[in-house]
Amino acid sequence: AAGVIQSPRHLIKEKRETATLKCYPIPRHDTVYWYQQGPGQDPQFLISFYEKMQSDKGSIPDRFSAQQFSDYHSELNMSSLELGDSALYFCASSYPILRGLGETQYFGPGTRLLVL
Amino acid sequence: RKEVEQDPGPFNVPEGATVAFNCTYSNSASQSFFWYRQDCRKEPKLLMSVYSSGNEDGRFTAQLNRASQYISLLIRDSKLSDSATYLCVVGGYGGSQGNLIFGKGTKLSVKP
Repeated sequence: AAGVIQSPRHLIKEKRETATLKCYPIPRHDTVYWYQQGPGQDPQFLISFYEKMQSDKGSIPDRFSAQQFSDYHSELNMSSLELGDSALYFCASSYPILRGLGETQYFGPGTRLLVL
Repeated sequence: RKEVEQDPGPFNVPEGATVAFNCTYSNSASQSFFWYRQDCRKEPKLLMSVYSSGNEDGRFTAQLNRASQYISLLIRDSKLSDSATYLCVVGGYGGSQGNLIFGKGTKLSVKP
């Protein structure tokens, strides 16, 4: 079965640079979520989109922005990178079978970002 | 206080053992509950959703007690391949019904 696709899988950047992470949801899933998992930490919710509109916002820094496109893929744009941004960034997608009751989310393999 | 709390372990058990994990959540308005497993440096993978009536999938049984705000996972006949970190996950509430809140995970190591 098709899964969530994320690219790139690994990324190395310098401080103050920018990075763009991409996420392609499972076909027919129209909701995308972004999570950040620091070393030894649990995943923290950043932001989500439903039908190309931002649906929820978590602990996403102002330096980050994201959007969902007409084909439902999403991009997370990160600017002025800091050492503390080094983490695994997961994208998850879901199909809203029952909106508002916590749709099951399926995670992509993640992008490992290292900021030097 | 963290919204979802789990015993971090590690739980070191022999093959064939039965092991139980517990989890508590703080917000009574939470509406959905899951167990995910995460292998080292990999993505969380859905193990099972958890319902008030309890649900079973092969060797895995999950229970939800809304009154006590308590979730459990029972693994019977442990296999070496069960070694992983088990994440207790709660679906958001109120206006944040989509995002997931993760516990810090319980590490399981199954030994031969």
